[in-house]
Amino acid sequence: NAGVTQTPKFQVLKTGQSMTLQCAQDMNHNSMYWYRQDPGMGLRLIYYSASEGTTDKGEVPNGYNVSRLNKREFSLRLESAAPSQTSVYFCASSTYRGLGTEAFFGQGTRLTVV
Amino acid sequence: DAKTTQPNSMESNEEEPVHLPCNHSTISGTDYIHWYRQLPSQGPEYVIHGLTSNVNNRMASLAIAEDRKSSTLILHRATLRDAAVYYCILRVFSNNAGNMLTFGGGTRLMVKP
Repeated sequence: NAGVTQTPKFQVLKTGQSMTLQCAQDMNHNSMYWYRQDPGMGLRLIYYSASEGTTDKGEVPNGYNVSRLNKREFSLRLESAAPSQTSVYFCASSTYRGLGTEAFFGQGTRLTVV
Repeated sequence: DAKTTQPNSMESNEEEPVHLPCNHSTISGTDYIHWYRQLPSQGPEYVIHGLTSNVNNRMASLAIAEDRKSSTLILHRATLRDAAVYYCILRVFSNNAGNMLTFGGGTRLMVKP
């Protein structure tokens, strides 16, 4: 089972460049999430998609856009990268209602903006 | 949102039990208590969860206070591989957002050989 797959694993961007981080899950989960993790910190929620066709802002959405392409895929786009967006990005998925179920995380995308 | 409070770091000796505490005094009746851990350079992984009763699984045990305002993750015999950041999270549901996982700072567990 692949679980949650993120691509790419590493990326270096120049300030002002754009890129899209891809995330796909194969567990038939309704809800998907994008987090960022700065060095020595916990994860902060950027955007989430509670179910296919919906997206909403999390704690730190500025500078990002998302697309829930279908039930499996949820992408995160940086339109004009800034050094402050240097971070590790994690995608996660879970069921919509099951509070007693676990969430699954990808292995992360390590992004450096120079 | 209900918040959790954990010590920043803890240290343990290999092969000894570890008790990781978590305070969640504003927990509501429907919030589940989840624990995740993050190994170095990895994404978070699920450890255990509970609602009211103590829980055991192959990785750990979860002891929940009777008033649910605190809980303790118990690793029965710490190994070097258990060195990680452990996050105590209250999982809440809303119609708009579904299940949410809000991370705090976690506890960095160091295991000494």
